[in-house]
Amino acid sequence: DIQMTQSPSSLSASVGDRVTITCQASQDIGNYLNWYQQRPGKAPKLLIYDASNLETGVPLRFSGSGSGTHFSFTISRLQPEDIATYYCLHFDHLPPAFGGGTKVEI
Amino acid sequence: EVQLVESGGAVVQPGGSLRLSCGVSGFTFDDYTMHWVRQIPGKGLEWVSEISWNGGTRYYAESVKGRFTISRDNSRNVLYLQMNSLTIEDTALYYCTRRDYWGQGTRVTVSS
Repeated sequence: DIQMTQSPSSLSASVGDRVTITCQASQDIGNYLNWYQQRPGKAPKLLIYDASNLETGVPLRFSGSGSGTHFSFTISRLQPEDIATYYCLHFDHLPPAFGGGTKVEI
Repeated sequence: EVQLVESGGAVVQPGGSLRLSCGVSGFTFDDYTMHWVRQIPGKGLEWVSEISWNGGTRYYAESVKGRFTISRDNSRNVLYLQMNSLTIEDTALYYCTRRDYWGQGTRVTVSS
């Protein structure tokens, strides 16, 4: 099974900061990777699909990059409403697997 | 508007069974592979199972294989998860998802 190593597990930043989260796959997954935001008490929300494509309606300050085994997710200017836990998900092979999550605090 | 609404969560004793349902609307259900994902309180997301558009292929996480069965009724736009031989470790919020859209989850508590 493919393992997803996400880091950091948590971070604290200031409003307006640039925030970057990474996910590393244990083997090549191409670009079969999504990024999700989960606000407290809410269901996950898709932000980035296929590694770098912004889901419709998602603010432009969110972006994703990478392919193969190394992926990055960036919030260019952190906003108060971005307080959440962020997860990567690979879906290249079965079983799909989530990263461990990154809790973003201000 | 795409909607996924889970139901069926409950408190059940260890060894018991439960069937979760997920009613969908706003899209052509039988165009999509569907998934169940769970989240233990305060923990991360865990993929549980997926079923192809016609139910022809089904996959399970090792942690639930042999105990859980995923199914779907395309005529009624409903996804199911039959859960048998439940253990305390199955306590979680269970989400139905198309991978882009998610329901709000239904809570399963396994406790004596």
